[in-house]
Amino acid sequence: DSGVTQTPKHLITATGQRVTLRCSPRSGDLSVYWYQQSLDQGLQFLIQYYNGEERAKGNILERFSAQQFPDLHSELNLSSLELGDSALYFCASSRYGSTEAFFGQGTRLTVV
Amino acid sequence: GQSLEQPSEVTAVEGAIVQINCTYQTSGFYGLSWYQQHDGGAPTFLSYNALDGLEETGRFSSFLSRSDSYGYLLLQELQMKDSASYFCAGDNYGQNFVFGPGTRLSVLP
Repeated sequence: DSGVTQTPKHLITATGQRVTLRCSPRSGDLSVYWYQQSLDQGLQFLIQYYNGEERAKGNILERFSAQQFPDLHSELNLSSLELGDSALYFCASSRYGSTEAFFGQGTRLTVV
Repeated sequence: GQSLEQPSEVTAVEGAIVQINCTYQTSGFYGLSWYQQHDGGAPTFLSYNALDGLEETGRFSSFLSRSDSYGYLLLQELQMKDSASYFCAGDNYGQNFVFGPGTRLSVLP
């Protein structure tokens, strides 16, 4: 158990809909990262937050947004969903200056 | 841009030694990490190299050469449970970790 909690574990929704994925980082970790992993693909970096502020942005679509709340949990919002958005979405957290990221078990999103 | 390259697949037999290479095209990485991911599971941290040279952790070792923009993960005494995907990741000065495409290791009996 990495200490990073993601909910829900599975999500099935229709095209055009909007979903919210939630992540609770390890206790004490201020950095939260979101990654997308499509079938048999690598981990594509989406966005990073540090202590509530956006720190770095990757190839995140405009239909996607995220935020980190004062209690450090983070949410990834995906809207106007398309079939191609079906993927595993991972959240990871790390301490400031740490070289190790701890990953949650992921949310498997299926868009039908 | 920043990118890392790895072989897509590697196959070896139980008890053998296997090396998974990673090359990168960027000067912006502070260090190189390795992660293991079993099918359907979360990536888990294996090792990190900030300096050139070899880091050993049990059956796993990782090497980095900054001048060659190259690193590798060495797995010794392979076991069936080592069958998984292995990712190298560049540490982008604390902003994010940029992952390679992953190498699927199959360990045969």
